Amino acid sequence: EVQLVESGGGVVQPGGSLRLSCAASGFTFSNYEMNWVRQAPGRGLEWVSYISGSGNNIDYVDSVKGRFTTTRDNARNSLSLQMNSLTAEDTAFYYCARELPTSGFDCWGHGTLVTVSS
Amino acid sequence: QSALTQPASVSGFPGQSITISCSGTFSDIGASNLVSWYQQHPGKSPKLLIYDVGYRPSGVSTRFSGSKSGNTASLTISGLQAEDEADYYCSSHTNIGVHWVFGGGTKLTVL
Repeated sequence: EVQLVESGGGVVQPGGSLRLSCAASGFTFSNYEMNWVRQAPGRGLEWVSYISGSGNNIDYVDSVKGRFTTTRDNARNSLSLQMNSLTAEDTAFYYCARELPTSGFDCWGHGTLVTVSS
Repeated sequence: QSALTQPASVSGFPGQSITISCSGTFSDIGASNLVSWYQQHPGKSPKLLIYDVGYRPSGVSTRFSGSKSGNTASLTISGLQAEDEADYYCSSHTNIGVHWVFGGGTKLTVL
């Protein structure tokens, strides 16, 4: 069964850091591009970051560039999102999502909640 | 402000058909067929309904169909059922700035 499981969310003060992880199973992880998508409570979906299967190509939404870093470890079937200089606007559920070869995210994790609050 | 524009809400009676629009620009929806649609029930993760404008993943009901004309994509749900009540999001690849963009979401109410 294809599965993605996020972890690492929690409460952090403004200006703080947090590292999210996504454990993948049930498929050949290195063959797939991966993404992080977030959703503020009661709000819509927002794409955050993309990483190619090799990890050589990475992209971010403008609002997190310079603060967030996406990496992957294909040997461990894991995806990570290092988040620094967090603000209240970063409060959201963070989902990792597998990208189809063309368009569409066909598998999503359950999400992990990040709350930035003093 | 979301990059793609969707109606905030739509509604319909069981058995009816409804269409949700998703308006973009020549830089996203109009630039390619990399358009997808998602269904999200409260407290759940999004589920892929449509990819590449009009293709359904295995297991998705044939009641869901997608199309595109110019800079606007559409999701049609036929034979509306109570279980279809959820939030629906469109998404498109963009050749400017961000890699992917989402619509603001549409809340479907089955009356």
